[in-house]
Amino acid sequence: SQQGEEDPQALSIQEGENATMNCSYKTSINNLQWYRQNSGRGLVHLILIRSNEREKHSGRLRVTLDTSKKSSSLLITASRAADTASYFCATPEGPTDSWGKLQFGAGTQVVVTP
Amino acid sequence: NAGVMQNPRHLVRRRGQEARLRCSPMKGHSHVYWYRQLPEEGLKFMVYLQKENIIDESGMPKERFSAEFPKEGPSILRIQQVVRGDSAAYFCASSTGGNQPQHFGDGTRLSIL
Repeated sequence: SQQGEEDPQALSIQEGENATMNCSYKTSINNLQWYRQNSGRGLVHLILIRSNEREKHSGRLRVTLDTSKKSSSLLITASRAADTASYFCATPEGPTDSWGKLQFGAGTQVVVTP
Repeated sequence: NAGVMQNPRHLVRRRGQEARLRCSPMKGHSHVYWYRQLPEEGLKFMVYLQKENIIDESGMPKERFSAEFPKEGPSILRIQQVVRGDSAAYFCASSTGGNQPQHFGDGTRLSIL
C-alpha cells in the first residue's frame, strides 16, 4: 500500500492563481519531501520538511506539515505555465535519518493555463 | 556537472529477451537507487546500492531482476526473460549518502512487444 497519497489527483488553474495540493501518509516519518516531474522527465527535488518543522518556504513554494494529522500540503503561489507538471510527496522508509528508500504517492497533475 | 545519466532512453524488447538498463550517477555520488513507474502512478522503490554492495533490495521482484553497481562503470538493472508486465519507466537516482537528497535521471522507458 502507498505511504503517501496526494489529493487532488488533478488540478487545473490559470496563471497567477495559487495551487494547493495535499499529501497524507500512514506511518511516522523523519522527513517528507516534495518532487516535481515534467512530462517524460525524471523527478526534481523541490523541498524537504523535517518532522520537527511545521512550515517551510522556498521561493514561490510553501510546505506545511501536520504530524498529528499525518498530512502535508504544498502551495505554489502566483503559478506560471512552467509549473505544469506532476507533483509527488515522498517519505523515507528505513532507519532514522536514512533516506535510502523513498515511498512516493500517486501524484497530483497540475495544469497551468496562460 | 553532468546529472544522472540513464541509457537508453527508450528500449524495446520482445517477450523472453533480456533488458539491460544503465545508470551513471552524478560525479561524486556513490549511492544509487532504482525505481519503477507505471503509467499514472508514483514511483515504486526497487533497490538501493552503494559501490559493489546491495544495501536494500526489498522492492525487487524475486525472480528475473538483478542489479549491480560495480567499482568501475555504471549501475546496471538487468531484467531477464521480460514479460509484458515489465513495461514501465525505470528511474535511477543517486546521492552522496543515505541521508542526502536523491537526484534523478530522465529514466528508461521499457516497452515489451
